[in-house]
Amino acid sequence: AQKVTQAQTEISVVEKEDVTLDCVYETRDTTYYLFWYKQPPSGELVFLIRRNSFDEQNEISGRYSWNFQKSTSSFNFTITASQVVDSAVYFCALISNNAGNMLTFGGGTRLMVKP
Amino acid sequence: DGGITQSPKYLFRKEGQNVTLSCEQNLNHDAMYWYRQDPGQGLRLIYYSQIVNDFQKGDIAEGYSVSREKKESFPLTVTSAQKNPTAFYLCASSNAAAVGYGYTFGSGTRLTVV
Repeated sequence: AQKVTQAQTEISVVEKEDVTLDCVYETRDTTYYLFWYKQPPSGELVFLIRRNSFDEQNEISGRYSWNFQKSTSSFNFTITASQVVDSAVYFCALISNNAGNMLTFGGGTRLMVKP
Repeated sequence: DGGITQSPKYLFRKEGQNVTLSCEQNLNHDAMYWYRQDPGQGLRLIYYSQIVNDFQKGDIAEGYSVSREKKESFPLTVTSAQKNPTAFYLCASSNAAAVGYGYTFGSGTRLTVV
């Protein structure tokens, strides 16, 4: 069985602070993919990043960075110098080759960035 | 541009009425999915279809029905049997042969029972 846990249900920061959103996953498969999606107030899910289980390189994209650690089954997401526009719900998700193409979502973390 | 179109964006329904939410994709994806999201909550899977003319129940299928007569279309009907249908509904699709690419999502339909 697959499981994704986002222990932080809600985080509030002041603009320009750095913030890390945690994601811990469980799977028995050796080949799997991890994702982060952003859901702004308008509701649509916006794809942010995909990482496969064989690529543990961290990634940076502008103010966003992701830290994938297989040893701790974590795929954490950091926003540097947060902005009000970063306010959204962020979902971490997992899919594996043996899970019938079913994406498993975490419960989401609501990030509120205050001016 | 390829993508998923959900319509309408907002929908109001009287109690006791059935209502159908539209989901169309032009990505040539085999699989399609319907999720429900309540305020402040995560995503719950209602139904999914991996291939035309076949679909499976998700975690909360009661009170909902679907059809998959065409690859491009996966409409969701919220029936009068659904006791609390007010929610945000998201449709998604994926390429079953490319698991690692995840899902593409529509912009959602917000259903309110009045």
